[in-house]
Amino acid sequence: DAKTTQPPSMDCAEGRAANLPCNHSTISGNEYVYWYRQIHSQGPQYIIHGLKNNETNEMASLIITEDRKSSTLILPHATLRDTAVYYCIVRDRISYYMDTGRRALTFGSGTRLQVQP
Amino acid sequence: NAGVMQNPRHLVRRRGQEARLRCSPMKGHSHVYWYRQLPEEGLKFMVYLQKENIIDESGMPKERFSAEFPKEGPSILRIQQVVRGDSAAYFCASSPTGQAGDTQYFGPGTRLTVL
Repeated sequence: DAKTTQPPSMDCAEGRAANLPCNHSTISGNEYVYWYRQIHSQGPQYIIHGLKNNETNEMASLIITEDRKSSTLILPHATLRDTAVYYCIVRDRISYYMDTGRRALTFGSGTRLQVQP
Repeated sequence: NAGVMQNPRHLVRRRGQEARLRCSPMKGHSHVYWYRQLPEEGLKFMVYLQKENIIDESGMPKERFSAEFPKEGPSILRIQQVVRGDSAAYFCASSPTGQAGDTQYFGPGTRLTVL
Protein backbone atom coordinates (compact mmCIF):
# COMPACT_ATOMS: atom_id res chain seq x y z
CA ASP A 1 0.00 0.00 0.00
CA ALA A 2 1.18 3.54 -0.76
CA LYS A 3 2.72 5.66 1.97
CA THR A 4 0.89 8.73 3.28
CA THR A 5 2.17 11.96 4.79
CA GLN A 6 0.12 14.09 7.19
CA PRO A 7 0.96 17.11 9.35
CA PRO A 8 1.49 16.00 12.95
CA SER A 9 -0.95 18.47 14.45
CA MET A 10 -3.56 21.12 13.62
CA ASP A 11 -5.83 23.46 15.52
CA CYS A 12 -9.32 24.51 14.55
CA ALA A 13 -11.83 26.84 16.13
CA GLU A 14 -15.11 25.32 17.19
CA GLY A 15 -17.81 25.84 14.56
CA ARG A 16 -15.31 26.38 11.76
CA ALA A 17 -14.41 23.92 9.04
CA ALA A 18 -11.44 21.65 9.72
CA ASN A 19 -9.44 20.80 6.61
CA LEU A 20 -7.01 17.94 7.11
CA PRO A 21 -4.55 17.31 4.27
CA CYS A 22 -2.91 14.08 3.24
CA ASN A 23 -0.24 13.44 0.62
CA HIS A 24 -0.11 10.07 -1.10
CA SER A 25 2.04 10.78 -4.13
CA THR A 26 2.78 7.10 -4.86
CA ILE A 27 -0.85 6.00 -4.86
CA SER A 28 -1.79 3.57 -7.61
CA GLY A 29 -4.95 3.49 -9.63
CA ASN A 30 -6.16 0.51 -7.63
CA GLU A 31 -5.94 2.14 -4.23
CA TYR A 32 -8.68 3.74 -2.16
CA VAL A 33 -8.08 6.63 0.25
CA TYR A 34 -9.56 5.88 3.68
CA TRP A 35 -9.90 8.13 6.71
CA TYR A 36 -10.26 6.97 10.29
CA ARG A 37 -10.05 8.85 13.55
CA GLN A 38 -9.22 7.84 17.09
CA ILE A 39 -10.75 9.87 19.87
CA HIS A 40 -8.57 9.71 22.97
CA SER A 41 -7.99 5.99 23.56
CA GLN A 42 -11.12 4.68 21.90
CA GLY A 43 -11.19 2.30 18.94
CA PRO A 44 -10.55 3.86 15.53
CA GLN A 45 -13.71 5.16 13.93
CA TYR A 46 -14.28 4.88 10.19
CA ILE A 47 -15.08 8.26 8.62
CA ILE A 48 -15.10 8.03 4.84
CA HIS A 49 -13.29 6.62 1.84
CA GLY A 50 -13.01 7.33 -1.87
CA LEU A 51 -11.26 6.31 -5.06
CA LYS A 52 -11.16 9.37 -7.31
CA ASN A 53 -14.45 11.20 -7.00
CA ASN A 54 -15.19 13.51 -4.11
CA GLU A 55 -17.30 11.88 -1.43
CA THR A 56 -19.60 13.21 1.29
CA ASN A 57 -21.42 11.56 4.15
CA GLU A 58 -23.00 12.66 7.40
CA MET A 59 -19.61 13.00 9.08
CA ALA A 60 -17.33 14.60 6.52
CA SER A 61 -16.37 15.33 2.94
CA LEU A 62 -13.39 13.90 1.11
CA ILE A 63 -11.78 15.88 -1.68
CA ILE A 64 -9.30 13.98 -3.86
CA THR A 65 -7.16 15.91 -6.34
CA GLU A 66 -7.45 15.03 -9.99
CA ASP A 67 -4.01 13.39 -10.05
CA ARG A 68 -4.97 11.53 -6.85
CA LYS A 69 -1.66 12.42 -5.20
CA SER A 70 -3.29 14.21 -2.31
CA SER A 71 -6.61 14.53 -0.54
CA THR A 72 -8.32 16.65 2.07
CA LEU A 73 -10.76 15.56 4.74
CA ILE A 74 -13.22 18.31 5.61
CA LEU A 75 -15.21 18.44 8.82
CA PRO A 76 -17.64 21.23 7.93
CA HIS A 77 -18.48 22.48 11.44
CA ALA A 78 -15.94 21.16 13.92
CA THR A 79 -17.04 20.58 17.51
CA LEU A 80 -15.02 19.84 20.63
CA ARG A 81 -15.95 16.18 20.19
CA ASP A 82 -14.04 16.12 16.91
CA THR A 83 -10.75 16.48 18.80
CA ALA A 84 -8.91 13.30 17.82
CA VAL A 85 -6.05 11.81 15.82
CA TYR A 86 -7.04 11.51 12.16
CA TYR A 87 -5.46 8.84 9.99
CA CYS A 88 -5.27 8.85 6.21
CA ILE A 89 -4.71 5.35 4.81
CA VAL A 90 -4.46 4.09 1.25
CA ARG A 91 -5.63 0.55 0.55
CA ASP A 92 -5.61 -1.73 -2.41
CA ARG A 93 -9.12 -2.39 -3.71
CA ILE A 94 -8.19 -5.37 -5.82
CA SER A 95 -8.50 -8.89 -4.44
CA TYR A 96 -5.81 -10.87 -6.12
CA TYR A 97 -6.54 -14.54 -6.56
CA MET A 98 -4.71 -16.54 -3.89
CA ASP A 99 -3.53 -13.31 -2.27
CA THR A 100 -5.70 -13.40 0.80
CA GLY A 101 -3.23 -11.57 2.96
CA ARG A 102 -2.33 -7.90 3.00
CA ARG A 103 -5.75 -6.88 4.27
CA ALA A 104 -4.22 -5.04 7.18
CA LEU A 105 -4.68 -1.32 7.64
CA THR A 106 -1.36 0.46 7.98
CA PHE A 107 -1.70 3.32 10.43
CA GLY A 108 0.86 6.11 10.31
CA SER A 109 1.26 8.82 12.90
CA GLY A 110 -1.83 10.72 11.77
CA THR A 111 -2.79 14.35 12.46
CA ARG A 112 -3.74 15.35 15.97
CA LEU A 113 -6.63 17.79 15.54
CA GLN A 114 -7.36 20.01 18.50
CA VAL A 115 -10.67 21.85 18.29
CA GLN A 116 -10.51 25.01 20.38
CA PRO A 117 -13.58 26.52 22.10
CA ASN B 1 -27.19 -2.99 14.71
CA ALA B 2 -24.62 -3.68 17.39
CA GLY B 3 -21.06 -2.81 16.56
CA VAL B 4 -17.92 -4.80 17.22
CA MET B 5 -17.82 -5.90 20.83
CA GLN B 6 -14.75 -6.64 22.86
CA ASN B 7 -14.37 -7.92 26.37
CA PRO B 8 -13.09 -7.43 28.85
CA ARG B 9 -12.54 -3.71 28.38
CA HIS B 10 -9.78 -3.73 30.98
CA LEU B 11 -7.66 -6.69 31.99
CA VAL B 12 -4.95 -6.82 34.64
CA ARG B 13 -2.53 -9.73 34.75
CA ARG B 14 0.63 -10.50 36.63
CA ARG B 15 3.76 -11.51 34.78
CA GLY B 16 3.59 -15.14 33.72
CA GLN B 17 -0.21 -15.37 33.66
CA GLU B 18 -2.34 -15.87 30.59
CA ALA B 19 -4.53 -13.22 28.99
CA ARG B 20 -7.57 -14.02 26.85
CA LEU B 21 -9.16 -11.25 24.85
CA ARG B 22 -12.48 -11.76 23.12
CA CYS B 23 -13.95 -10.11 20.05
CA SER B 24 -17.45 -10.49 18.65
CA PRO B 25 -17.68 -9.07 15.12
CA MET B 26 -20.55 -7.03 13.78
CA LYS B 27 -23.58 -9.04 12.74
CA GLY B 28 -23.04 -10.48 9.30
CA HIS B 29 -19.26 -10.06 9.42
CA SER B 30 -17.13 -13.17 9.12
CA HIS B 31 -13.67 -11.56 8.97
CA VAL B 32 -11.79 -10.38 12.03
CA TYR B 33 -8.55 -8.42 12.44
CA TRP B 34 -6.53 -7.82 15.58
CA TYR B 35 -4.37 -4.75 16.12
CA ARG B 36 -2.16 -3.69 19.01
CA GLN B 37 -1.43 -0.17 20.18
CA LEU B 38 1.49 0.21 22.54
CA PRO B 39 1.51 3.29 24.80
CA GLU B 40 2.09 6.48 22.79
CA GLU B 41 2.40 4.53 19.53
CA GLY B 42 0.25 3.84 16.49
CA LEU B 43 -1.85 0.80 15.80
CA LYS B 44 -0.03 -2.21 14.41
CA PHE B 45 -1.66 -5.12 12.63
CA MET B 46 -1.31 -8.51 14.28
CA VAL B 47 -3.52 -11.12 12.63
CA TYR B 48 -6.41 -11.56 10.22
CA LEU B 49 -8.85 -14.44 10.59
CA GLN B 50 -11.86 -15.82 8.84
CA LYS B 51 -14.15 -18.34 10.50
CA GLU B 52 -11.95 -21.31 11.51
CA ASN B 53 -8.99 -20.04 9.48
CA ILE B 54 -5.99 -17.83 10.09
CA ILE B 55 -5.47 -15.92 6.86
CA ASP B 56 -2.57 -13.61 7.71
CA GLU B 57 -0.55 -13.70 10.94
CA SER B 58 2.40 -11.73 9.67
CA GLY B 59 2.13 -9.21 12.53
CA MET B 60 1.92 -11.71 15.36
CA PRO B 61 4.89 -12.18 17.67
CA LYS B 62 6.35 -15.61 17.05
CA GLU B 63 6.01 -16.81 20.63
CA ARG B 64 3.31 -16.71 23.31
CA PHE B 65 0.63 -15.17 21.06
CA SER B 66 -2.12 -17.10 19.32
CA ALA B 67 -5.50 -16.32 17.81
CA GLU B 68 -8.56 -18.26 16.79
CA PHE B 69 -11.98 -17.62 15.34
CA PRO B 70 -14.11 -20.72 15.83
CA LYS B 71 -17.19 -21.61 13.88
CA GLU B 72 -19.30 -20.58 16.85
CA GLY B 73 -18.47 -17.85 19.31
CA PRO B 74 -16.11 -14.91 19.40
CA SER B 75 -12.58 -14.59 18.16
CA ILE B 76 -9.99 -15.07 20.89
CA LEU B 77 -6.55 -13.51 21.15
CA ARG B 78 -4.51 -15.46 23.66
CA ILE B 79 -1.29 -14.29 25.24
CA GLN B 80 0.57 -16.84 27.32
CA GLN B 81 3.08 -15.99 30.05
CA VAL B 82 2.49 -12.27 29.74
CA VAL B 83 5.36 -9.82 30.25
CA ARG B 84 5.28 -6.10 31.02
CA GLY B 85 5.92 -5.29 27.37
CA ASP B 86 2.56 -6.83 26.48
CA SER B 87 0.79 -3.95 28.23
CA ALA B 88 -1.12 -2.25 25.45
CA ALA B 89 -4.54 -1.63 23.97
CA TYR B 90 -5.71 -4.46 21.75
CA PHE B 91 -8.29 -3.60 19.12
CA CYS B 92 -10.38 -5.91 17.04
CA ALA B 93 -11.97 -4.95 13.74
CA SER B 94 -14.40 -6.81 11.51
CA SER B 95 -15.48 -6.67 7.89
CA PRO B 96 -18.28 -8.44 6.01
CA THR B 97 -16.09 -10.12 3.42
CA GLY B 98 -12.42 -10.57 2.77
CA GLN B 99 -12.41 -8.30 -0.24
CA ALA B 100 -9.44 -5.98 -0.32
CA GLY B 101 -11.50 -2.81 -0.34
CA ASP B 102 -13.75 -3.85 2.55
CA THR B 103 -14.20 -1.29 5.30
CA GLN B 104 -13.03 -2.46 8.71
CA TYR B 105 -15.03 -1.42 11.76
CA PHE B 106 -13.32 -1.35 15.12
CA GLY B 107 -14.35 -2.31 18.61
CA PRO B 108 -13.64 -0.27 21.76
CA GLY B 109 -10.54 -2.26 22.61
CA THR B 110 -9.19 -4.20 25.58
CA ARG B 111 -6.61 -2.46 27.70
CA LEU B 112 -4.18 -5.01 29.08
CA THR B 113 -2.01 -4.06 32.03
CA VAL B 114 0.71 -6.46 33.12
CA LEU B 115 1.97 -5.93 36.66
